[in-house]
Amino acid sequence: GAVVSQHPSRVICKSGTSVKIECRSLDFQATTMFWYRQFPKKSLMLMATSNEGSKATYEQGVEKDKFLINHASLTLSTLTVTSAHPEDSSFYICSAGNQGANYGYTFGSGTRLTVV
Amino acid sequence: SQQGEEDPQALSIQEGENATMNCSYKTSINNLQWYRQNSGRGLVHLILIRSNEREKHSGRLRVTLDTSKKSSSLLITASRAADTASYFCATVNPSGSRLTFGEGTQLTVNP
Repeated sequence: GAVVSQHPSRVICKSGTSVKIECRSLDFQATTMFWYRQFPKKSLMLMATSNEGSKATYEQGVEKDKFLINHASLTLSTLTVTSAHPEDSSFYICSAGNQGANYGYTFGSGTRLTVV
Repeated sequence: SQQGEEDPQALSIQEGENATMNCSYKTSINNLQWYRQNSGRGLVHLILIRSNEREKHSGRLRVTLDTSKKSSSLLITASRAADTASYFCATVNPSGSRLTFGEGTQLTVNP
């Protein structure tokens, strides 16, 4: 079945530094990938939709300059949290659908970001 | 903003019992999907029901959809301790461009 690999699974960084999270579709091409943020015991909040070869579409309230998304190929999308602060600490999850919205999406295993 | 609401927020049952979770949404949809998430992990797709379908089965899972009430339910029959997880409904908009999650139900199945 479709597999989405997300890396790293956990990262701890200092305030002010940047962190890059990678999301790869291993056995299919994903023209669209989604990035979500999840707070403890809460639901997933869509941050942005990443389209291969074009700029990401960000949800209202999500800072484009803080959360940089790049989708340079059909199998890789990256989320960079720039100048991270403790309030950016969260669980970030990517997802991709290889057959569009009419089938279930495949999710990465998530990245636990802790900013100290 | 989140599309839907789920109830209950938390559900605790004994092994062998059935678990029912409900989801309501606000706008038109292409389809509705249910996902499972174990603590601190990614999501696993369980089942998808299209807007023109009313009921769907997959193993011990039964999903219903009532588009007139904008609601869906997920029934897990003969629950097992391994079913303990958070369950989320998610709706896909008519154009198919976004997947929006409900608040989730934390299910605990006690052995």
